[in-house]
Order: sequence, then C-alpha cells, then structure tokens
Amino acid sequence: RKEVEQDPGPFNVPEGATVAFNCTYSNSASQSFFWYRQDCRKEPKLLMSVYSSGNEDGRFTAQLNRASQYISLLIRDSKLSDSATYLCVVTGNTPLVFGKGTRLSVIA
Amino acid sequence: SAVISQKPSRDICQRGTSLTIQCQVDSQVTMMFWYRQQPGQSLTLIATANQGSEATYESGFVIDKFPISRPNLTFSTLTVSNMSPEDSSIYLCLVQGYNEQFFGPGTRLTVL
Repeated sequence: RKEVEQDPGPFNVPEGATVAFNCTYSNSASQSFFWYRQDCRKEPKLLMSVYSSGNEDGRFTAQLNRASQYISLLIRDSKLSDSATYLCVVTGNTPLVFGKGTRLSVIA
Repeated sequence: SAVISQKPSRDICQRGTSLTIQCQVDSQVTMMFWYRQQPGQSLTLIATANQGSEATYESGFVIDKFPISRPNLTFSTLTVSNMSPEDSSIYLCLVQGYNEQFFGPGTRLTVL
C-alpha cells in the first residue's frame, strides 16, 4: 500500500462548482498534514495545513479523520484560477511524504 | 517566507556526464531536503542534506549517484552523477524553518 494515496483525476468542473478531493495515508504515526498546490511546470506551494478540528480558509475547507486516516479538501465556488494539481502531504518524524496529486480543471 | 533560489533552472545534458544543482536560501533554516519529480509522478525524497555531515539517503538512492553537500545552514548542492535518460526529472530543494517549509523553484533536467 502506498504511503499517501489520492484519486489522480482529472476533475473537470464548471466555474462556481464545489469539488472535493480525498486522500488516505498508511502511517498511523503521521502527525502533520497539508495540502499543496502545484501549477504546471512550477514548484509545489503550500495551500493550507490540515488540523484535527478541520479548518477553513476562504473557499477552501480541509478535514482530517485520524481514525480512518483520511484527509479531504473542499473547494467551493471554483474559479478558473483554481486549475492545478492538488497534492496531499503527510509527515511525522520524517520528511514530507507526497501523494501523486489530483488534477483539477475548472472550465468556463 | 524564505526566498529560495536554485541553479541552474534547467539543463540538457549528455549521458554519462554529471550535473551539480545548487540551492541557496536567504535565511538560516533547520532542514534541507532534495526531492525528485519525474514526469507525471509525485515528489520522491532523495535525501536529507545534513549540515556538516553526510546526507541521509532514502531507499533506492545512494551517495555515489547523488552526492550532496551542505556546508552551512543556507546552502546545499545535489550532484546527479553518470547521468542516464532515466534521470530526466525536476529536482527540487525543500527547506524547513520553524513550522514552515518551502520549495525552491526546481531544476528541470533532461538527459539525452
């Protein structure tokens, strides 16, 4: 089983849609969780950290379920500029471990 | 946030040659890592660059192939040795300060 698994997509959604990405991780000792965004031919950039209580940043909501070892990212009111690959990232006493990413295309 | 630069930004190299990639940070950071992202793949950790000592390599990566230096807290190099087309990839340094981590812009390597 891979350490971090994501649905690769692509997700093709119209502007204004709500879209959710899921991620599972295998290491129950993982302590920190993140969503990164990677635009084409660019380096990944931190989108948001994921906290146990769930957290929201504008149109983005992240959730963590430690019992199920499951992380989610919800994007509301999708914009064209949200088109990118979204990477699920976990870490414990180790460097960051990345999922393969979920590709999102928001269509006008 | 830290400002990170990588040199070169891209290169095209011949099989059998070596390339050294530099990563420079504008502030002292605790940890520096080297990742590889092959076409269509996610990021794979190559090694942790340890300041003043040998790097810590992940399974599947060895020092002879990917020698790493980190002479101080703001600079590290990764060398890709005896290159083959399979080494064509984006190489990224990741720096970690207090509770934050940032990627360098990456080095896009093509081996012919």
